[in-house]
Amino acid sequence: AQSVTQLGSHVSVSEGALVLLRCNYSSSVPPYLFWYVQYPNQGLQLLLKYTTGATLVKGINGFEAEFKKSETSFHLTKPSAHMSDAAEYFCAVSDRYTGRRALTFGSGTRLQVQP
Amino acid sequence: DVKVTQSSRYLVKRTGEKVFLECVQDMDHENMFWYRQDPGLGLRLIYFSYDVKMKEKGDIPEGYSVSREKKERFSLILESASTNQTSMYLCASSFSDRAGYGYTFGSGTRLTVV
Repeated sequence: AQSVTQLGSHVSVSEGALVLLRCNYSSSVPPYLFWYVQYPNQGLQLLLKYTTGATLVKGINGFEAEFKKSETSFHLTKPSAHMSDAAEYFCAVSDRYTGRRALTFGSGTRLQVQP
Repeated sequence: DVKVTQSSRYLVKRTGEKVFLECVQDMDHENMFWYRQDPGLGLRLIYFSYDVKMKEKGDIPEGYSVSREKKERFSLILESASTNQTSMYLCASSFSDRAGYGYTFGSGTRLTVV
């Protein structure tokens, strides 16, 4: 079964600093990879996804993520944090070939942005 | 825009009550999902459905059941609510043949069982 590990349940950065949220998956076959964001009292919103092709994926709100097969990683970055980026971020995977249609989520990383 | 609507944002129920959480989507998605979200545990899959009247157990189905009588509606049922079912419940939907497109989520129902 797939599993997803997000290192760091809480990350705090200063406004304008680099944001780096880590995600590693366990699978010998690269899955589909997703990052979702959840603002307080809301559902999850898709930030970006990797399915095939270019390994550097750009998403909404200036976020991007790079798929590295050799490291089984899909880390999320943003060059300059904004106060509005404070939220919880979830990495998720789905099987590419087995037909299981459900996403498996990591435990989430709460991002704090300090003024 | 695809909409996934969960009927209640907040619910408070008593231990032992039968609880229904309703979810409706308006984009003709084949797949629908119920997750619960708990701090430090992320989202865990309870049940999902890939067609009307079809359902599959997820990772934590114990204490729950589901119903899908119409394509657009997927209900989560807590047969006899217990305090350890206090949680945020999230519904989602997706196309059947587009696993790479991800989900559309509802806003969630925060259930408190007292």
